[in-house]
Amino acid sequence: QKEVEQNSGPLSVPEGAIASLNCTYSDRGSQSFFWYRQYSGKSPELIMFIYSNGDKEDGRFTAQLNKASQYVSLLIRDSQPSDSATYLCAVNKGYGQNFVFGPGTRLSVLP
Amino acid sequence: DTGVSQNPRHKITKRGQNVTFRCDPISEHNRLYWYRQTLGQGPEFLTYFQNEAQLEKSRLLSDRFSAERPKGSFSTLEIQRTEQGDSAMYLCASSPVGNRDTEAFFGQGTRLTVV
Repeated sequence: QKEVEQNSGPLSVPEGAIASLNCTYSDRGSQSFFWYRQYSGKSPELIMFIYSNGDKEDGRFTAQLNKASQYVSLLIRDSQPSDSATYLCAVNKGYGQNFVFGPGTRLSVLP
Repeated sequence: DTGVSQNPRHKITKRGQNVTFRCDPISEHNRLYWYRQTLGQGPEFLTYFQNEAQLEKSRLLSDRFSAERPKGSFSTLEIQRTEQGDSAMYLCASSPVGNRDTEAFFGQGTRLTVV
């Protein structure tokens, strides 16, 4: 079992819809969770992070964390074609640990 | 520019040659990470430093790879006797040390092509 798993996609949604991206992790001791966006040929850029169970909202983005289910999700409301990218889920096990990335989910927002 | 800086951006080398990449982290960040990414995959952890100390190195990293951060500022990643399988994007990231691990910020990467 890989440490961080994501559906590779592609996930296609129409413009204006809600895109839902999912991530599961294997280490129950993981402490912090991150979503990065990566455009083709570019480096990952941080969208948001979440530490506590529940929801965290930032503009059109909402991260959801359920530690009991070892599940993290990212919702993108009012999806735009510019949101088309690969979304990487990353997990950090705790202080002094490195970040472990999932394989990414490719999102395509259709005009 | 106060972001993470990587040089060179692109490197083409012949198989068997040695290459060295440089990373300059965000100035107040104590932690520096190296990752490798191939097409269609997420970044794969290679190694990381806290200040000048190399705290962790991936078991997947062969002896041909070495990294240094001599003064706790910039870092170099050297690959000796390059192989075609080393072709990838090499990403450097940095983060500050906080009460809990804060986010890592990535540089633009160095794309290595071994021919």
